[in-house]
Amino acid sequence: RKEVEQDPGPFNVPEGATVAFNCTYSNSASQSFFWYRQDCRKEPKLLMSVYSSGNEDGRFTAQLNRASQYISLLIRDSKLSDSATYLCVVSLGTSGTYKYIFGTGTRLKVLA
Amino acid sequence: SQTIHQWPATLVQPVGSPLSLECTVEGTSNPNLYWYRQAAGRGLQLLFYSVGIGQISSEVPQNLSASRPQDRQFILSSKKLLLSDSGFYLCAWSVRVSLAKNIQYFGAGTRLSVL
Repeated sequence: RKEVEQDPGPFNVPEGATVAFNCTYSNSASQSFFWYRQDCRKEPKLLMSVYSSGNEDGRFTAQLNRASQYISLLIRDSKLSDSATYLCVVSLGTSGTYKYIFGTGTRLKVLA
Repeated sequence: SQTIHQWPATLVQPVGSPLSLECTVEGTSNPNLYWYRQAAGRGLQLLFYSVGIGQISSEVPQNLSASRPQDRQFILSSKKLLLSDSGFYLCAWSVRVSLAKNIQYFGAGTRLSVL
């Protein structure tokens, strides 16, 4: 079993649609959770951290379920510019040493 | 503000040639540093990470090595490249001070083609 699993997609959605991605992780000791966005042939960039209480940033909402070990990302009112690969990331570690485990990503295509 | 520089952006090297990729971070001290590789259509694979000068941890056995000669400098090397070393190499850093702030930031990457 992969440490972080994501549906690779692609998810093809029309502009204005709402789309949701899920991610599961296997290590219950995981401590921090993130969603990154990666455009084609570019470096990953932080989209948002994921907190236990859930958090929202504009059209993006992230949720964490520790009991079930999954993380979700909801994108409302999709824009063409949202087309990218979304990477689920978990980190764990102690004493200032943090390791990051990346999912393989979910590809989103927003269609005009 | 913190910035991370990685170079070169692209590199084409023959099989058997040496490799040296460099990454430097500005605006922070004592960061954790990381080297990842992303093969075409694949996820990020952690290659090395470092928590301090001269301290390198290797995640996978391979043809590559890493060094950290200065606090904010991280170098990825190979003595003889293999075809399988082709990929997108990413350097990253994170702060060490607290769990809540351990966001990881990436350099722009080096696209290596071994021919």
